[in-house]
Amino acid sequence: GESVGLHLPTLSVQEGDNSIINCAYSNSASDYFIWYKQESGKGPQFIIDIRSNMDKRQGQRVTVLLNKTVKHLSLQIAATQPGDSAVYFCAGVDNNNDMRFGAGTRLTVKP
Amino acid sequence: EAGVAQSPRYKIIEKRQSVAFWCNPISGHATLYWYQQILGQGPKLLIQFQNNGVVDDSQLPKDRFSAERLKGVDSTLKIQPAKLEDSAVYLCASSLGTGDTQYFGPGTRLTVL
Repeated sequence: GESVGLHLPTLSVQEGDNSIINCAYSNSASDYFIWYKQESGKGPQFIIDIRSNMDKRQGQRVTVLLNKTVKHLSLQIAATQPGDSAVYFCAGVDNNNDMRFGAGTRLTVKP
Repeated sequence: EAGVAQSPRYKIIEKRQSVAFWCNPISGHATLYWYQQILGQGPKLLIQFQNNGVVDDSQLPKDRFSAERLKGVDSTLKIQPAKLEDSAVYLCASSLGTGDTQYFGPGTRLTVL
């Protein structure tokens, strides 16, 4: 199965700076990966996903990078805003369509 | 488009009591999931339905947890009897089909005293 984890439990950045949240995975057969944002008292919210045949995918202010060689993906948030403060989860989906979440990184944006 | 609805939002019970949670998925979504999220951890899948059939319940503690989706739309998750370690947020999610993007509800925060 998939084992997904995050490098850091917390990340603090200054408003306006770029944020990078990292994630490592163990199952090289994972079909794709998803980043979720979870604000306090809410369910996880889909941010962006990436298929295993891609290296990079961009959204609005967010970019996900996938390095299959070292089984690592990252979420980059440009010009981080106070509203970006939340816990960010990476999740891996294996070839059985089973999704496994990592423990999460809490992003705090300082004004 | 309405999102996934869950109720109640909060529930406090004593150990050995029973509790039930309700979920209404996004209209047209065939796949429904229940997750358990313990404080400080990522969500863990308990059970997955495809329409009214169970696809995966390998992580569901079947001696005390049960879930149903009789008409293939709404679903209920029940815990009977509850233990202290069941204190968590119970999240419901739905997707168009298996492997599609999952959309989560706000969750039910359960506290077992």
